[in-house]
Amino acid sequence: QVQLVQSGAEVKKPGSSVKVSCKTSGGTFSNYAFSWVRQAPGQGLEWVGGIIPMFGSTNHAQKFQGRVTISADKSTNTAYMELSNLTPEDTAVFYCARGVGTSWGVGWYCDLWGRGTLVTVSS
Amino acid sequence: SYEVTQPHSLSVAPGQTARLPCEGTNIEIKNVHWYQQRPGQAPVLAIYRDSYRPSGIPERFSASNAGNTATLTIARVQPGDEADYFCQVWDNNTALFGGGTKLTVL
Repeated sequence: QVQLVQSGAEVKKPGSSVKVSCKTSGGTFSNYAFSWVRQAPGQGLEWVGGIIPMFGSTNHAQKFQGRVTISADKSTNTAYMELSNLTPEDTAVFYCARGVGTSWGVGWYCDLWGRGTLVTVSS
Repeated sequence: SYEVTQPHSLSVAPGQTARLPCEGTNIEIKNVHWYQQRPGQAPVLAIYRDSYRPSGIPERFSASNAGNTATLTIARVQPGDEADYFCQVWDNNTALFGGGTKLTVL
């Protein structure tokens, strides 16, 4: 059974960075896109950015411009999201999700989600 | 920039039909996807490309997209359907989620 296995919870200081990993277990990797989605406590879903490993192309939401780096390692079937210059407002669960589709124009739907990684930013 | 809007909450009695709207300008030209998120769990794909149901999602779940409104319909609502439901579209190479509707089963 295919799973997305995310790295464990993190506690970070304001101004620092966090890197979350998402490993595809039991299935193919490069045929899909991947999204990173943030959910602050009690709030809705917010798209952070995405990557199409087949092409190595990435994109992100404008509000994360300059702070987010999304990457993938096809040799280990793992996608990564690094967020820098953290503030307490970044405290949230970060989900990775597998996308069916490999076109930025049309986009994709996410048919498989990881369990989420809680990132807590506190001094 | 494009926006999609969902009502914050909806309450339905068991056995009734729930209709959850997702509004956006001329949303009918976009593919709309729907996700169900039960409390404390990760989201699950409920409907993709306007009206397609993934395997494992009950036939009670259906959806449509016309004009400025996409609608997720849940027939014969059950207590287990109580969850947050999010619509999602793509615009300008970025994914946009609606704010989500909390469905309460009375």
